[in-house]
Amino acid sequence: DTAVSQTPKYLVTQMGNDKSIKCEQNLGHDTMYWYKQDSKKFLKIMFSYNNKELIINETVPNRFSPKSPDKAHLNLHINSLELGDSAVYFCASSLVGGSKYTDTQYFGPGTRLTVL
Amino acid sequence: DAKTTQPTSMDCAEGRAANLPCNHSTISGNEYVYWYRQIHSQGPQYIIHGLKNNETNEMASLIITEDRKSSTLILPHATLRDTAVYYCIVRVEGSGGYQKVTFGIGTKLQVIP
Repeated sequence: DTAVSQTPKYLVTQMGNDKSIKCEQNLGHDTMYWYKQDSKKFLKIMFSYNNKELIINETVPNRFSPKSPDKAHLNLHINSLELGDSAVYFCASSLVGGSKYTDTQYFGPGTRLTVL
Repeated sequence: DAKTTQPTSMDCAEGRAANLPCNHSTISGNEYVYWYRQIHSQGPQYIIHGLKNNETNEMASLIITEDRKSSTLILPHATLRDTAVYYCIVRVEGSGGYQKVTFGIGTKLQVIP
């Protein structure tokens, strides 16, 4: 059973298009994250959500809009895609609240986005 | 977040212990040391974490110096599948999404047959 899953795994699209990446976790976690890993391999946080509420929003263009319909899902919608958006996007989750929190982050397999 | 510094790359012979150092000289008293690794084309994977005592699990051991300014991740018997980039980060446990996790460039460990 996949703990943190992302779809699609690969996404190739033209500049100016709008695309979405979906993330789901079945770990019962209450906090989810989006990270971006660029060609230089730096892994940078973009957003984090706790119980469906946005709590971290790094300096990400407002073309990026995360949406969390419930605690198990965090989707990332990107408008007007640009060449510089090409990267691997990772979703992650962790358990922060409650007595059994570990705060360990579990990552998905990544979505490789290529903008042409 | 306290910054960490790690060597850019290391080699280790298969079957030998891999010792990966990390400096975190500005770590705060309530910050834990976490280690993750990223195998090529996969998402980062949690390995181990600790506050001040040495820790061991099925994957690795973590040795933290008494002054907590540095630590070493030990893979006791490295295999080819341990070839990956290893990240050392520090964070306040329980901070969850309220404290952003910053992954540096990490150490690229190459296990050699």
